Amino acid sequence: AQSVTQPDIHITVSEGASLELRCNYSYGATPYLFWYVQSPGQGLQLLLKYFSGDTLVQGIKGFEAEFKRSQSSFNLRKPSVHWSDAAEYFCAVGAGVDSSYKLIFGSGTRLLVRP
Amino acid sequence: GAVVSQHPSRVICKSGTSVKIECRSLDFQATTMFWYRQFPKKSLMLMATSNEGSKATYEQGVEKDKFLINHASLTLSTLTVTSAHPEDSSFYICSARDPYRQGIDTEAFFGQGTRLTVV
Repeated sequence: AQSVTQPDIHITVSEGASLELRCNYSYGATPYLFWYVQSPGQGLQLLLKYFSGDTLVQGIKGFEAEFKRSQSSFNLRKPSVHWSDAAEYFCAVGAGVDSSYKLIFGSGTRLLVRP
Repeated sequence: GAVVSQHPSRVICKSGTSVKIECRSLDFQATTMFWYRQFPKKSLMLMATSNEGSKATYEQGVEKDKFLINHASLTLSTLTVTSAHPEDSSFYICSARDPYRQGIDTEAFFGQGTRLTVV
């Protein structure tokens, strides 16, 4: 069965420090992978996605993620965190095709940013 | 990016009543819509997938008679929580996708969510 694991429930970093949020997935075929960000009480905003091609993908707000098939990972990174990056981050895998397609989310990682 | 509007953003209802939540795609035709439920400090749990003109496909453990989903048009899907109880209180989020027009690799766009409180 498809699944997504985000091993870190919450992470605290200082403003200006680098960030890496971990994501591991389980899926039999080539996955579609996503990172979303959710601010409190809000919907989800797509940060970046991977479907094929270059395994290092660039997203909005200075985020990037690297797909590593051998490790079944899709970790999110940012070289310098801003206070406004504090939010909940969700990794997701798109599974199935056509009408059976669905997004499966990890449990999320809450990012706290120290001034 | 495409816009998905969800309404209402928050609703309080009495136990035993029904509540309808709307999800609209404003600038694209959503052949597929998804409904998620999010518990406090928890991930999004997929409740059901609805394809326009077809019956919704519910995930295991989701009561289809309690959570009625209608996807009658390419721009509107509704989730009705019937005979709501306090345990139904949650954050409900919809998302929409149109792979048949935008390609198989199109992303899903999310609504702003609806905070349901049953008292």
